[in-house]
Formats: sequence, structure tokens, C-alpha cells
Amino acid sequence: GQNIDQPTEMTATEGAIVQINCTYQTSGFNGLFWYQQHAGEAPTFLSYNVLDGLEEKGRFSSFLSRSKGYSYLLLKELQMKDSASYLCAAMDSNYQLIWGAGTKLIIKP
Amino acid sequence: IAGITQAPTSQILAAGRRMTLRCTQDMRHNAMYWYRQDLGLGLRLIHYSNTAGTTGKGEVPDGYSVSRANTDDFPLTLASAVPSQTSVYFCASSPGSQVADTQYFGPGTRLTVL
Repeated sequence: GQNIDQPTEMTATEGAIVQINCTYQTSGFNGLFWYQQHAGEAPTFLSYNVLDGLEEKGRFSSFLSRSKGYSYLLLKELQMKDSASYLCAAMDSNYQLIWGAGTKLIIKP
Repeated sequence: IAGITQAPTSQILAAGRRMTLRCTQDMRHNAMYWYRQDLGLGLRLIHYSNTAGTTGKGEVPDGYSVSRANTDDFPLTLASAVPSQTSVYFCASSPGSQVADTQYFGPGTRLTVL
């Protein structure tokens, strides 16, 4: 079956670094997406990886290892506004997104 | 408009009633999607459309129907609502279909079925 696993909740301190892990199992693979979702709002796109390695975009970076079925989202210099849920989604062979349940990130001052 | 709009924002509905959730995009995207989001679960695909005039079933299609008469609109209909359909519904679109394109989401409709 198809499955995405990510931690339910994480807590970090303002100004620190946090890494949110995601493992996936899909029928075929066409890339790994990360979305941010603030409470009561729609998911918004953060990053896309299809090749192994690290993609850096400002304070946010995303890493992919296809052989391990593993990705992480790295957030640096955490700000209070980064308090949100982070959704990992893998695209299968039919170009459908399989979504994780999301990781709720709590930032403390 | 810019992006995707959904209506209504929220709705309380009696079980057994028929309800249509509306979704409109102005980005001329080919593909559109309907998801439901429930606490503790990932987004689950209900139905999708790769292009105007075509639709397909997602992971949880039972009790829902869709149509795609044109590029911009993708309504979702609950023929006879049941309490298990209480959820937040998101419409999304992507420029291409059958390619690894980013999906863009509407603001969501919060539906409660009593």
C-alpha cells in the first residue's frame, strides 16, 4: 500500500533550527512535496524534490533520498510565524499526491 | 479574482440534504482536485479532473459526485449528506495534468452534517 509517515507534533525555540522528517512508500514516485498550513487556512507550497539531495530556499531547505524513501524539511532561524502544520506529500506513478497527516510545529519564545 | 475561490466558507447541513460546494479558478489550470481533510488524517482525494470534460475517482469518492463543464469550475455535490461527511473540503488546481506540477489550494469549506 501507499503510506506517508511524519511526526505528529514537534516543539522548537524561536531562532533555533528544526528538522521535520518524512518517510514514504508509494507505487512509483514522481517527487516529494512539502506544504505549510497555518491553522484554519489552506496548504501553501514550500518545496519540491525529485532528485536526491538538498534544495535550499531561504530559511527553508528540503532533502530527498529516493533509495531510502526519506525526506526532511529543515527550517532555520525559526520565527513565531513558522508555527504551523507541515505536510509531506509524495507523488505516485499516476501523478496523484499521497499526503501525510502533517506535523504540527509549535514555536516557543 | 486571483487564484481559487470556494463557496460557501462554512455550512451546517441536515443529514439527507443535497449540497453543492463550489470551486472556481481563474488561472486557466488544466487539472482540478477535491480533497477532504480530517483531524489526524492526511488530505484525501475525493475526485479529480485532468481537463475540462473529464473526471476521475480518487481515494474516497463514495457519496460524492463532480462535473467539469468548463476549465474554471469544478463543483462537488453531496447527493444525500451523512454525518461522516463532516470535514473541511479543499479544492485545488494545477497547471498541467499527469505531470509533477504544484497544486494550489482554495481557502476551504468547513461542512458540518448533523
